[in-house]
Amino acid sequence: SQKIEQNSEALNIQEGKTATLTCNYTNYSPAYLQWYRQDPGRGPVFLLLIRENEKEKRKERLKVTFDTTLKQSLFHITASQPADSATYLCALGKGGGNKLTFGTGTQLKVEL
Amino acid sequence: SAVISQKPSRDICQRGTSLTIQCQVDSQVTMMFWYRQQPGQSLTLIATANQGSEATYESGFVIDKFPISRPNLTFSTLTVSNMSPEDSSIYLCSVEGGVAGNTDTQYFGPGTRLTVL
Repeated sequence: SQKIEQNSEALNIQEGKTATLTCNYTNYSPAYLQWYRQDPGRGPVFLLLIRENEKEKRKERLKVTFDTTLKQSLFHITASQPADSATYLCALGKGGGNKLTFGTGTQLKVEL
Repeated sequence: SAVISQKPSRDICQRGTSLTIQCQVDSQVTMMFWYRQQPGQSLTLIATANQGSEATYESGFVIDKFPISRPNLTFSTLTVSNMSPEDSSIYLCSVEGGVAGNTDTQYFGPGTRLTVL
């Protein structure tokens, strides 16, 4: 069965450092992979989408890589700030219906 | 971007009763989705609701337990029927996105936190 794994333990880093979150998947051939941010008591908010034929995508301080051979995506936040503290979810989809399958999420805490 | 509201934001219900959750979008959308997020878990898709057709349910979810209505392009309801404590969860609706031109993305509502006693 399809499985999407993210670091279950919270990631604590110091302000200014780069946070790196991992998303691994098995038994899946996604057309694209997305990253969402979720704050407590709120719905997820879309951050970045990367397609199967793309290796890397950037948006401001965010960078996503996608390795379909390793079946892995890395999500980087550079120059992290306390306001980046949240849970980050990866989601995979095949398109043509927009159905997404979500990972369990990784909680990031950026400390002063 | 789409703005989505849900009602109620939270509720505490008794076992055996039913709760209907409303999802309102500020623009017309074809596809709406209902998810469940159990404590400490990820989002699990319950069903996809297109206007004018029956909802499509994912494996493990049935219409008798989670009936869905989609009367128009801006509104949908999800009912959680004959509730048990195992139904305690956050229920989220979402719509197809179009964020930055990416139609594969989704906008999410704030969620409804349901506790069943």
